[in-house]
Amino acid sequence: GAGVSQSPSNKVTEKGKDVELRCDPISGHTALYWYRQSLGQGLEFLIYFQGNSAPDKSGLPSDRFSAERTGGSVSTLTIQRTQQEDSAVYLCASSLDGRPGQEAFFGQGTRLTVV
Amino acid sequence: GENVEQHPSTLSVQEGDSAVIKCTYSDSASNYFPWYKQELGKGPQLIIDIRSNVGEKKDQRIAVTLNKTAKHFSLHITETQPEDSAVYFCAASGGSYIPTFGRGTSLIVHP
Repeated sequence: GAGVSQSPSNKVTEKGKDVELRCDPISGHTALYWYRQSLGQGLEFLIYFQGNSAPDKSGLPSDRFSAERTGGSVSTLTIQRTQQEDSAVYLCASSLDGRPGQEAFFGQGTRLTVV
Repeated sequence: GENVEQHPSTLSVQEGDSAVIKCTYSDSASNYFPWYKQELGKGPQLIIDIRSNVGEKKDQRIAVTLNKTAKHFSLHITETQPEDSAVYFCAASGGSYIPTFGRGTSLIVHP
């Protein structure tokens, strides 16, 4: 596609349920990032994928959060047993190969609300 | 790891005035400093960037300056217009492959 695509745009879920958020990066981009944006906060790094390398999971806030990237393209961020503090906008970005100095292209985000 | 501080958190100006947003970073290995604009309901979009081998870059009404010695960089918007109203993020990368973002500045331009 022409840009980074995320789905769904909005998700309302009940506390304790699991959710899956999807990111489709720009075709040919091998680097993919997930960030979380809470109300009034900056962009909090969650996880980074680069090609076939092991992902950098250093930003995941708890073991309820996990992500995978199948076939080096589409990525899914999974949050298990959601809590109210998980409510935020989850942003996905991709870049050509992740080297510093490359533009990161962001999707429009998924707004997650846990009630 | 890298730490990026951004100020102010909110900036309110009259149309036609200039706006300045400032960021500092901690990792001397950082060498790439992009600025992103996020409009309501959209993802951040790159508006300008600067690399460590230059001190200033300009693109029409926006400019960015970098002081590597002091580890700070700034975004300057001249002749602000209502459509400049958005949240602006600075970021730094180079020491790490993962860009570190500031907390954002909400710019409000009053007509």
